[in-house]
Amino acid sequence: DAKTTQPPSMDCAEGRAANLPCNHSTISGNEYVYWYRQIHSQGPQYIIHGLKNNETNEMASLIITEDRKSSTLILPHATLRDTAVYYCIVRVVGLGNQGGKLIFGQGTELSVKP
Amino acid sequence: EPEVTQTPSHQVTQMGQEVILRCVPISNHLYFYWYRQILGQKVEFLVSFYNNEISEKSEIFDDQFSVERPDGSNFTLKIRSTKLEDSAMYFCASRWDRNTEAFFGQGTRLTVV
Repeated sequence: DAKTTQPPSMDCAEGRAANLPCNHSTISGNEYVYWYRQIHSQGPQYIIHGLKNNETNEMASLIITEDRKSSTLILPHATLRDTAVYYCIVRVVGLGNQGGKLIFGQGTELSVKP
Repeated sequence: EPEVTQTPSHQVTQMGQEVILRCVPISNHLYFYWYRQILGQKVEFLVSFYNNEISEKSEIFDDQFSVERPDGSNFTLKIRSTKLEDSAMYFCASRWDRNTEAFFGQGTRLTVV
């Protein structure tokens, strides 16, 4: 699976949009971008994933650049409960990833402040 | 909302003892996983399990570890002879298809003394 690079930490004011960047310059055509988060040593929680189109769900939006070498997770109105470590994971989908494992990096520690 | 359930939430064991960590995956899921996270470190993949057999395992998952799905609902991780360095949070996860999102349990904190 392709390696990802994320800033180790970020701050965001409560109520503002949190924009979390991720670089995945070696991504290949059959690899998706997944985002998970982990709130204070709880189990990781799925947020969103995408291949090349921008995606939105009730939690967040995912913007993937046209060349697919980077992406941004957007939390539109961050709350204190969004304070967590956010992981950007690139993984093969389909037969190339037999077991469907996730490879976690260090992630970005997002602190939402009042 | 369906969830992955892990028990116990915290287990303390003596070095050299065997421990079994238990997980109840979401009922219609077919793929099962164990991950661990040593305090202050990243989440690490241990093993994936599908169709009653291991489909992939990491270098961490050595002969001391085993997994089993003894009935239609439970998925267990056994550590035969625990070491101090096995102290960690252990997370179980499941998904219904390898291409869908994985759901994680809240973890078991294993402390080896």
